[in-house]
Amino acid sequence: DQQVKQNSPSLSVQEGRISILNCDYTNSMFDYFLWYKKYPAEGPTFLISISSIKDKNEDGRFTVFLNKSAKHLSLHIVPSQPGDSAVYFCAASATTSGTYKYIFGTGTRLKVLA
Amino acid sequence: NAGVMQNPRHLVRRRGQEARLRCSPMKGHSHVYWYRQLPEEGLKFMVYLQKENIIDESGMPKERFSAEFPKEGPSILRIQQVVRGDSAAYFCASYKTGGATNEKLFFGSGTQLSVL
Repeated sequence: DQQVKQNSPSLSVQEGRISILNCDYTNSMFDYFLWYKKYPAEGPTFLISISSIKDKNEDGRFTVFLNKSAKHLSLHIVPSQPGDSAVYFCAASATTSGTYKYIFGTGTRLKVLA
Repeated sequence: NAGVMQNPRHLVRRRGQEARLRCSPMKGHSHVYWYRQLPEEGLKFMVYLQKENIIDESGMPKERFSAEFPKEGPSILRIQQVVRGDSAAYFCASYKTGGATNEKLFFGSGTQLSVL
């Protein structure tokens, strides 16, 4: 049972335009969400997070939106740069469960074209 | 400030051998996670450990796989009698509990296991 889903395996965007990566979840207990970026042969690195008490969090070019009723979150990158080309994973956790277990999606490969 | 250290980076084993993957968490982090990434797939949760304690091993295969995080030393993920299907990238992450809402996992660079 895939509790965190990223239905788009890949996305291509022109440099300077907006990249929108989507993530859906099924477990209503999830209350903390994170996005990670991964380059080949490296470990994932943290990008941005959002708690379920918010519906938006912004950090520079990166903004995460959370729609709790739809169990959906999205990562917006504006403007997109070639260096943003990587695999992006969303992750979710049910912090109230006390176990701090993070479930990851299958990832979306973003390619930013120069 | 050393990050999460994993070794070896690459490990080659023949079918039937044992694989031992090591992970040293970030300084001050008391929780370790192991994830597996199969080719063209996402990060699959395997196990979550605290010092001398397994908190959640719901993602671990029931046979041949085990993990430990002793009081002293790194966390070890052990795979006995490896098969070709075990070939994957294994990532370790560490975490520092503190009750803050902005806690996150810090990942190592991974161990690429290849089974011949």
